[in-house]
Amino acid sequence: SAVISQKPSRDICQRGTSLTIQCQVDSQVTMMFWYRQQPGQSLTLIATANQGSEATYESGFVIDKFPISRPNLTFSTLTVSNMSPEDSSIYLCSVGPGAGPGNTIYFGEGSWLTVV
Amino acid sequence: DQQVKQNSPSLSVQEGRISILNCDYTNSMFDYFLWYKKYPAEGPTFLISISSIKDKNEDGRFTVFLNKSAKHLSLHIVPSQPGDSAVYFCAATWKGAQKLVFGQGTRLTINP
Repeated sequence: SAVISQKPSRDICQRGTSLTIQCQVDSQVTMMFWYRQQPGQSLTLIATANQGSEATYESGFVIDKFPISRPNLTFSTLTVSNMSPEDSSIYLCSVGPGAGPGNTIYFGEGSWLTVV
Repeated sequence: DQQVKQNSPSLSVQEGRISILNCDYTNSMFDYFLWYKKYPAEGPTFLISISSIKDKNEDGRFTVFLNKSAKHLSLHIVPSQPGDSAVYFCAATWKGAQKLVFGQGTRLTINP
């Protein structure tokens, strides 16, 4: 499995500010995804980070709020913009050859954001 | 609409006994299922998976059973160990999908 590093691992953010989370993988991967886990909730996919093109967002998530970059096959960033306390979550980078049958998606350690 | 459901938010099992975690799904398109284990403030760790063409997959202490007609799968851990105490997530996907759909998780506590 790939080694996935996320920065920051934890941060306390002021309301109205933005924070960029970085995800670095130790090998080239086809697919990179960003998930969110709000307190006491399940994991929810925010978007698929596409190399060389715009990210594909899930229903309920928009580019203005969660801009994503993927400049190459080993790196991606997720920005949480204009944060509010409702954005307090663990944000998880995940990678895999794909999300279909037979493929396993691996997760990074997560970035735990608290918005005050 | 919760397509993957883990109806037990918590489970407590004595060390050495069997832990059984359950998961139900509603979407008939799902044909691949995974279990993840998650410790607090860490990312989920992949445990075991099963394709819809099988009804059982075993890996060491972990066995996953799939009942397609009932749209139900379960994870068996035997014997349970203190290090197994964590939150377990069931996830599902399908051919051509680009995402996993997760259940709400079950917190497993192994008591000495």
